[in-house]
Amino acid sequence: KQEVTQIPAALSVPEGENLVLNCSFTDSAIYNLQWFRQDPGKGLTSLLLIQSSQREQTSGRLNASLDKSSGRSTLYIAASQPGDSATYLCAVKRPPPGKLIFGQGTTLQVKP
Amino acid sequence: NAGVTQTPKFQVLKTGQSMTLQCAQDMNHEYMSWYRQDPGMGLRLIHYSVGAGITDQGEVPNGYNVSRSTTEDFPLRLLSAAPSQTSVYFCASQRNSGANVLTFGAGSRLTVL
Repeated sequence: KQEVTQIPAALSVPEGENLVLNCSFTDSAIYNLQWFRQDPGKGLTSLLLIQSSQREQTSGRLNASLDKSSGRSTLYIAASQPGDSATYLCAVKRPPPGKLIFGQGTTLQVKP
Repeated sequence: NAGVTQTPKFQVLKTGQSMTLQCAQDMNHEYMSWYRQDPGMGLRLIHYSVGAGITDQGEVPNGYNVSRSTTEDFPLRLLSAAPSQTSVYFCASQRNSGANVLTFGAGSRLTVL
């Protein structure tokens, strides 16, 4: 059974700091891995998607990496800003017609 | 350009009451799903549908029913609410089961007393 774990559950950093969020999964047979952002009281917004054959994806200040062999993904946020404060969730997808399995999320607070 | 619309946003029920959470999408997506989000547990899949007339169970289906009579709508029914069903519920849609991009609704917060 696929399990997805995100550590830490919460993180507080000063503005401008570079930071890394971690996601680990137990079964390396994944189709893809996605990172989502969730703002309080809102739904989820997809940030980055990494296919199983890829090692990383970048979007602006965000960079996500994938190491299937070790069952790990990281989301790197450069030069963090208060507007980055949100909950970040990772989710792995099994091969089609696979379902998404979500981690518990990391709640990030960036202090001005 | 509404995307995925969920109603109601908030609901309080008493144990044993029934209700339906509504979900509608206007993107002609085949695949729709319902998740619940509980503190410290991430999102868990309740039920999903790969197209009109077809539904299937996810990880935590007990206590919930769904139907998919049209492509646009995917309501989630609680027949006899229990306090354990207090949660935030999210509906999501995607073009098909192989698609990567999910569109989520804003969520429905349900409290069962």
